[in-house]
Amino acid sequence: GAVVSQHPSRVICKSGTSVKIECRSLDFQATTMFWYRQFPKQSLMLMATSNEGSKATYEQGVEKDKFLINHASLTLSTLTVTSAHPEDSSFYICSARRTSNQPQHFGDGTRLSIL
Amino acid sequence: AQTVTQSQPEMSVQEAETVTLSCTYDTSENNYYLFWYKQPPSRQMILVIRQEAYKQQNATENRFSVNFQKAAKSFSLKISDSQLGDTAMYFCAFMKLTYGNKLVFGAGTILRVKS
Repeated sequence: GAVVSQHPSRVICKSGTSVKIECRSLDFQATTMFWYRQFPKQSLMLMATSNEGSKATYEQGVEKDKFLINHASLTLSTLTVTSAHPEDSSFYICSARRTSNQPQHFGDGTRLSIL
Repeated sequence: AQTVTQSQPEMSVQEAETVTLSCTYDTSENNYYLFWYKQPPSRQMILVIRQEAYKQQNATENRFSVNFQKAAKSFSLKISDSQLGDTAMYFCAFMKLTYGNKLVFGAGTILRVKS
């Protein structure tokens, strides 16, 4: 089955630092990757859609300068939380899919804690 | 815009029994996919079952089956012979097949399987 690897699984850092999260599709080429944010006991909130080689499309209300997304290859997308603050603490999940009519396969998520 | 409604915030079922999780959605699209994802305490998102709207036959995957009622825009998940490992948050999701197709998630239903 399709495997998506997300790294790191957990990160704790000081306020003001930038944090990079990687999302890799290990056994398929992903034309599109997605980044979600999830608060405890809530649903996944889509932050942005990332297509290889083009700029990410951000959802309304998501600050593109705060959450930098790069999709440099068909197997790798990165999310950088810049100048992170405690309110950015959350669970971030990526997903990837081969083509537009294929299901999304999810990474295991990253728990980000900003002190 | 599409919306997905899961009206049961929490459900519980006795081990080995059957439980049905409800999901309704609203769309003007004719062709789309519906999904059920499972998120156990580990927070990994696992695809449980997928249904193509053009297929009248309900999808089944081992102990998991759906009751897809297109006219009523209803997509319930039935879990038979419930196991302790089925304890998780379950998300119903919709995806259109036209441009900009991304997953639209419901709020989720927490299912607890009791021994």
